[in-house]
Amino acid sequence: DQQVKQNSPSLSVQEGRISILNCDYTNSMFDYFLWYKKYPAEGPTFLISISSIKDKNEDGRFTVFLNKSAKHLSLHIVPSQPGDSAVYFCAASAGGWGSQGNLIFGKGTKLSVKP
Amino acid sequence: DAGVTQSPTHLIKTRGQHVTLRCSPISGHKSVSWYQQVLGQGPQFIFQYYEKEERGRGNFPDRFSARQFPNYSSELNVNALLLGDSALYLCASSLGGALETQYFGPGTRLLVL
Repeated sequence: DQQVKQNSPSLSVQEGRISILNCDYTNSMFDYFLWYKKYPAEGPTFLISISSIKDKNEDGRFTVFLNKSAKHLSLHIVPSQPGDSAVYFCAASAGGWGSQGNLIFGKGTKLSVKP
Repeated sequence: DAGVTQSPTHLIKTRGQHVTLRCSPISGHKSVSWYQQVLGQGPQFIFQYYEKEERGRGNFPDRFSARQFPNYSSELNVNALLLGDSALYLCASSLGGALETQYFGPGTRLLVL
């Protein structure tokens, strides 16, 4: 039973436009959410995070939105660049202190940004 | 600053053998977690260690074990390898406190023949 779901395996966007990656979760105990980007043959790279007490967090071109009532979060990339082409993973954890060692990941969405 | 390092980068083993994977965390990080990523899936949690003690364990058989050393580096051991153990093994480190971000190493790709 998947607790973190990324229902779109792939997404293609034109350079300069907005990329929106979606993630749904089922466990209401999750209190910390993260997005990672992964290039082939590399480990995941941390992008941005949000705690459950917030509904938005912004860092440069990246913004994460959290809708707790819908158990949904999204990552917006504006403007999208070809270098953003990678697999994006949504991850979540529960339980506060010390629990961030146990991240539950979605299956990932492959983003392709076309010039 | 050096990131999380893992060794070896690639490994080929045969069924029934044993393997040891190594991880060095970012300087100052006291928590290390191990994940397994098979093709087409997201990473799956195996173990977390904090201050040399096991803090969490995922749904993996007892063939998987780990430990953390006084310098906070860590080893993941897998005994009696199965074909299904072929995967990318990722190590992540963090400071270990609440809401601390985990930073991943490049991984060790294990192929079991």
